[in-house]
Amino acid sequence: DIQLTQSPSFLSASVGDRVTITCRASQGISSYLAWYQQKPGKAPKLLIYAASTLQSGVPSRFSGSGSGTEFTLTISSLQPEDFATYYCQQLNSYPPTFGQGTKLEIK
Amino acid sequence: EVQLVESGGGLVQPGGSLRLSCAASGFTFSSYWMHWVRQAPGKGLVWVSRINSDGSSTSYADSVKGRFTISRDNAKNTLYLQMNSLRAEDTAVYYCARDRDSSGYKDWGQGTLVTVSS
Repeated sequence: DIQLTQSPSFLSASVGDRVTITCRASQGISSYLAWYQQKPGKAPKLLIYAASTLQSGVPSRFSGSGSGTEFTLTISSLQPEDFATYYCQQLNSYPPTFGQGTKLEIK
Repeated sequence: EVQLVESGGGLVQPGGSLRLSCAASGFTFSSYWMHWVRQAPGKGLVWVSRINSDGSSTSYADSVKGRFTISRDNAKNTLYLQMNSLRAEDTAVYYCARDRDSSGYKDWGQGTLVTVSS
């Protein structure tokens, strides 16, 4: 199975900050990577797919980049509603694994 | 509007069985692969199983292989997960999700909680 390692696991930031979350794959996955946001008690929400394509309706302050084994999710200017947990997922091969998550908290 | 509504969760004893359902609406259910993903309390997301559009092909996580069975009824627009020989470690919220051809899972249900405990 392909392992995805997110860093950091916890991130404390302030409204207006620029933050970056990294997702590293144990082997190359081309651009078959998605990013999700999850808030407590809610289902995950798709933010980015194909590593860098913004899902329709997602604010443009979210962006994704990378290919192969290293990927990043960047939020350019944090808004209050962005404090949540973020997961990456690889869709290159089965099983489609998730990273362990990054919890973004208010500083 | 796409809707996925899970049901069937609850409290079950270790070794017991449960069948989850996911009722789909707002799209042509028979055209899409579907998945089950679970999340143990306070933990991350874990993919469980998938089924292709006509039900002829399935895949499972190693942790549930031989105990869980995914199926679908395209006439009823419903996805199922039959869970047998349940263990405490199967305790989780179970989500169904619609596949989008390796472009991530845009549509998710609200989840149904399965608790395995004596």
